[in-house]
Amino acid sequence: QKEVEQDPGPLSVPEGAIVSLNCTYSNSAFQYFMWYRQYSRKGPELLMYTYSSGNKEDGRFTAQVDKSSKYISLFIRDSQPSDSATYLCAMSANNAGNMLTFGGGTRLMVKP
Amino acid sequence: DVKVTQSSRYLVKRTGEKVFLECVQDMDHENMFWYRQDPGLGLRLIYFSYDVKMKEKGDIPEGYSVSREKKERFSLILESASTNQTSMYLCASSASGALGENIQYFGAGTRLSVL
Repeated sequence: QKEVEQDPGPLSVPEGAIVSLNCTYSNSAFQYFMWYRQYSRKGPELLMYTYSSGNKEDGRFTAQVDKSSKYISLFIRDSQPSDSATYLCAMSANNAGNMLTFGGGTRLMVKP
Repeated sequence: DVKVTQSSRYLVKRTGEKVFLECVQDMDHENMFWYRQDPGLGLRLIYFSYDVKMKEKGDIPEGYSVSREKKERFSLILESASTNQTSMYLCASSASGALGENIQYFGAGTRLSVL
């Protein structure tokens, strides 16, 4: 079993839909959680960063962490075709800056 | 803005060739990483370095080596390229220490094809 599980998709939604992307993990030591967005043929770019449990909102994006269930989510409101990308979750147990564990990524397609 | 620059976007090499992938970051980050990304397998860590001349093996170091002679530059070396090393290679860097500094910043990637 992988340490971080993420449904690979593809997830196809119409423009304007609310999108929910999720990861589950098994290591209870994880405290730092990130979402990266990766456009086709590009490197991942950081989208959201959260520490411990709770919600964090940034524009149309909301990251949610439920440590008791070992489950994290990324919600995208009013999805746009420009949101079409692969979304990778990543997490770490410390803030030493050296080790992240990534999910495999979910490919999202937002259709106009 | 943090910038991580990989020297090549696309490379085509022949089996047995020695291949160098170069990565430069401009944020004075201590940590640098090399990953490969394959469909269905996600990002897999090959090597990382937390200081000049220091290196640590990641999950899949076999067939690769690295060099970090200067803080800003981290090179990945394929000693004798094989077809199973055809992949997307991603370099990343991060700072060490305080809360919020375990974010990794990625380059655009090098798509390597070994024929």
